[in-house]
Amino acid sequence: NAGVTQTPKFQVLKTGQSMTLQCAQDMNHEYMSWYRQDPGMGLRLIHYSVGAGITDQGEVPNGYNVSRSTTEDFPLRLLSAAPSQTSVYFCASSRRVGAGNTEAFFGQGTRLTVV
Amino acid sequence: AQTVTQSQPEMSVQEAETVTLSCTYDTSESDYYLFWYKQPPSRQMILVIRQEAYKQQNATENRFSVNFQKAAKSFSLKISDSQLGDAAMYFCTRGGADGLTFGKGTHLIIQP
Repeated sequence: NAGVTQTPKFQVLKTGQSMTLQCAQDMNHEYMSWYRQDPGMGLRLIHYSVGAGITDQGEVPNGYNVSRSTTEDFPLRLLSAAPSQTSVYFCASSRRVGAGNTEAFFGQGTRLTVV
Repeated sequence: AQTVTQSQPEMSVQEAETVTLSCTYDTSESDYYLFWYKQPPSRQMILVIRQEAYKQQNATENRFSVNFQKAAKSFSLKISDSQLGDAAMYFCTRGGADGLTFGKGTHLIIQP
């Protein structure tokens, strides 16, 4: 089973360039999200989606765009890369557990370096 | 802001011994979930164990168990019979409809 597939695994960008991190899930989950992981910071929520056509901001949304045209895909766009966006990015797909709660399954992460 | 605090940046344990990782959290919700995720050097985030807040019984998964103290908002992870493969970053996480809130993690070292 594929689960959550993230591409690419590694990427180097120059300041000002744009790019899209791809995320696809085959578990038919309504909820998907993007996190970034910085040293000593744990993971922080960038954007999330509770279903196709619905997205919302998380804790650190500035500099990133998302869209959700299908249940399966949730790409993350960096509009104009900055060195502060150097990080490891994780996409997660979540199933509902209990009332209003979710359990996340993560992709393998993308290590992004902005020079 | 609803926070998760892991006060041990790094822990070390001898192989085959038991270690406990600490976690406290803050929430205004009455129904929520708590998780421990493991991140080995491969970077993959792996779900270790899950606790539902309305269940008083502590969750157990093989060598992994939790001590959930709801009133104290405490959620510690106990690893019994530690193995070299347990070496990793461990993240305490609170779940919610708007995403997960992570602690900063505890780096677990297993001494052979």
